[in-house]
Order: sequence, then structure tokens, then C-alpha cells
Amino acid sequence: EAGVTQFPSHSVIEKGQTVTLRCDPISGHDNLYWYRRVMGKEIKFLLHFVKESKQDESGMPNNRFLAERTGGTYSTLKVQPAELEDSGVYFCASSADGNTIYFGEGSWLTVV
Amino acid sequence: AQSVTQPDIHITVSEGASLELRCNYSYGATPYLFWYVQSPGQGLQLLLKYFSGDTLVQGIKGFEAEFKRSQSSFNLRKPSVHWSDAAEYFCAVVARGSYIPTFGRGTSLIVHP
Repeated sequence: EAGVTQFPSHSVIEKGQTVTLRCDPISGHDNLYWYRRVMGKEIKFLLHFVKESKQDESGMPNNRFLAERTGGTYSTLKVQPAELEDSGVYFCASSADGNTIYFGEGSWLTVV
Repeated sequence: AQSVTQPDIHITVSEGASLELRCNYSYGATPYLFWYVQSPGQGLQLLLKYFSGDTLVQGIKGFEAEFKRSQSSFNLRKPSVHWSDAAEYFCAVVARGSYIPTFGRGTSLIVHP
């Protein structure tokens, strides 16, 4: 069974550009999460979907970040326009029961 | 306030030595407890978890963790460390009734040959 997959694995963009990160959860997992880790800092929660609904988006840093999960399957996280401080690793995770959560390999974003 | 604490930022051990990484939490009711590992350039891999029952849980890669209610701790252990264990280790908790893991700041493990 495939795990959580994320694309792209690495991205380098210029400040002001737009980047869209994609996450495919484990098949059948209704819960989908986005987390971010800025270099050397803690892993911070961004938001939580249950199916296509945003259950909790209290961790989204500002309105430059937009997450969607149309149809309750894959999710995208768009950063527009990107700033230098957005650099970091963006982790997606999914869970069937909301208790055991499986993470993807991460999308490593560098804004220059 | 609810929190999870990993008091050690870095731990250095020699290959073959035993290892214990500390994790303490502060929650009203015992949360669900997890340890994850992030190897260099890799994602987060689940090592083990505790929900209830036996307080000593076994995980992958030879790791185990012991839940101690009286100390609000969930320390990760390994009897003999291998060089490939060098990574960053994260304790995470999910409060009962919540679906959002909260992570400790991580402990970086350095293994000397």
C-alpha cells in the first residue's frame, strides 16, 4: 500500500513567485494534515482536513497560504506570493482514525 | 497549558552504547503518545505509539518506549545504537478528543564510531 506522497520533493523559487505543493494521502484516509518545519525550528501544525472540509486552520501563518482538498482526496497547499521566511519543509500527513498519523517525505521549499 | 517537552536538544553516544531520549508532557488526561524519527533528508517515520495498556511499547528498528503516568513521561530507548540511528527524534502527543499532533522540538542524535 502506498504511503503519503508529496510533490515536489524539492523546490527553489524566487521571492514573490507562487508555489503549489501537492499531497496524496493514504487511500481511504479522511484526515489530512499539513505541517511545516522552518530550518532548525519546531514542527508546526498548519491545518487539518476531514474529507474536503477544513476542520482546523488555526496554524496557517497568513493569507498568502491557501490549502484545498477538492473531492476529499489529494490536497494542495499554495503559497502566493512566497517570502524568504516561507522556506522550510512542508509535511503532509494522513490518518484513518485521527489518532495514528502517517507522514510523507516532505516538500523542501527554498525561497531565494 | 498543554505542552510536550524534549529537554535534550543534542545527544551524543558511541556506537553500541545504550540510548534514552526523554519526553515529558503536560496534559489533563493521558494523551496518545508517539515517537517519530527524521533521518537526514527524509520524512518523518513513525517509530512507535502508545494509546493504552502495556506501558512498555515496542517499535521498529529495535526501539522501545515506556509510559510512566506518575512522571508524565514517554522516554524512548534502545539498548545498542547503530550508526544509522543518527537522526532527529520527535516526541508527539495527541490530546484525547483532538486529532492534532503536537510535536516536541526534537532531539538530534549523534553517533560516534
